[in-house]
Amino acid sequence: EDKVVQSPLSLVVHEGDTVTLNCSYEVTNFRSLLWYKQEKKAPTFLFMLTSSGIEKKSGRLSSILDKKELFSILNITATQTGDSAVYLCATPPWGAQKLVFGQGTRLTINP
Amino acid sequence: NAGVTQTPKFQVLKTGQSMTLQCAQDMNHNSMYWYRQDPGMGLRLIYYSASEGTTDKGEVPNGYNVSRLNKREFSLRLESAAPSQTSVYFCASSGIVGGTGELFFGEGSRLTVL
Repeated sequence: EDKVVQSPLSLVVHEGDTVTLNCSYEVTNFRSLLWYKQEKKAPTFLFMLTSSGIEKKSGRLSSILDKKELFSILNITATQTGDSAVYLCATPPWGAQKLVFGQGTRLTINP
Repeated sequence: NAGVTQTPKFQVLKTGQSMTLQCAQDMNHNSMYWYRQDPGMGLRLIYYSASEGTTDKGEVPNGYNVSRLNKREFSLRLESAAPSQTSVYFCASSGIVGGTGELFFGEGSRLTVL
């Protein structure tokens, strides 16, 4: 069965800290892995990763994929209170036009 | 610049009542989805429609029905609501063939079943 597992489920840090969020997956014939940020309402897209070892970067956020070990990490440097959110990762099962999501990591940044 | 629009945003039902959640997208996307989100559970797929005229079950379809009315609209119906269906429901759409790309989400509908 296709599965996506995120860790930790919850994380509280101080503003300015660096955090690493983890996403491991089990899916037949991997195609892509996506990261989303969810604040109060709808999830918003951050990154899509398809190739191992190639970092995707957007400002203080970056993500990388390891297809051999079947995981991805999302790094946030110099965290700000606006980074507080639930971060979700997801992957499409083979042959299906849908995404399977992990449980999410709730990140809280304290001033 | 509407994107994905869901209605209603909030609804309270009594056990056994029925209701329909409406979703429309204006991005000419082929695929549309209904997810539910419960605390600590991430997003779980209820039903999806890969293209107009087709619908498929997701992980948690029991107690729900869907209709892909046309390319723009995808509705979710609860025929006899149960307290276990208390959740936040998200509609989403995608224009990427093969389902590998990003989903665009509506703002969610919070449903409470008493």
